[in-house]
Amino acid sequence: KNEVEQSPQNLTAQEGEFITINCSYSVGISALHWLQQHPGGGIVSLFMLSSGKKKHGRLIATINIQEKHSSLHITASHPRDSAVYICAVEPNTGNQFYFGTGTSLTVIP
Amino acid sequence: DTEVTQTPKHLVMGMTNKKSLKCEQHMGHRAMYWYKQKAKKPPELMFVYSYEKLSINESVPSRFSPECPNSSLLNLHLHALQPEDSALYLCASSQEGSLSGELFFGEGSRLTVL
Repeated sequence: KNEVEQSPQNLTAQEGEFITINCSYSVGISALHWLQQHPGGGIVSLFMLSSGKKKHGRLIATINIQEKHSSLHITASHPRDSAVYICAVEPNTGNQFYFGTGTSLTVIP
Repeated sequence: DTEVTQTPKHLVMGMTNKKSLKCEQHMGHRAMYWYKQKAKKPPELMFVYSYEKLSINESVPSRFSPECPNSSLLNLHLHALQPEDSALYLCASSQEGSLSGELFFGEGSRLTVL
C-alpha cells in the first residue's frame, strides 16, 4: 500500500504547454513537499506546503488538506523542465517522509 | 550555505571491500537521513538521525552501518556489500519538527558493487 500516489507516471508535453501533476495521500500530514530530480540523481526541493498555494516563477503548487490532494502546475513549460517530479509527505506522527513514485516529465521543443 | 554535500559522487567497490559514504551540512539541521534509490524508483528510507542519535533504522542489513560523528556529518560505512546494493545513495537533512521540515538533498553517491 502506497501512502502517496502520483499521477500521471509519465508525461510528455510540447514546449509552452501548461502541465499539471497530481498527488494524493492517505495519512495525516504536517507538510507536503514537491521535489525535482534531474537525470544524474540530484534532488532539489521545489516547495514545502502545509496549506493553500505557493508560486515560484513558472511553478505553482496547491494543496487541499481536507481532500488530501496536492497539484504541481508548470506554466509555459520548457525543455529544461524535463525531470522526475516527486511528491513527498511529512506525516504528523514522526520524522519519516513518504514518497510518491514520481512523475517523469519530458518537454519537447 | 544551503547545501548538503556528499562524497564521493561515484564509487565502485568489490564485495569484500570496506568503504564509506560521507555527507555534510552546515545549515544547523538536526535531522539527517540516508536514502537508497534504485533506477526509476522513489527514494527508500534507510536511516534517520535526530539530534545525532539514530531514531529510525528501516530494517537495513548490517552490512550498512551509519555513523553521526557530530551534528554536521553523517557517514554510511559499507562492508561486504552485494551487487544488488548498487544504487544511488542520497543524504538529506531537515529541521527537526513539523512545519519546518524543508528537505534538502545532496547530489547523491552512485555506488556500483562488482
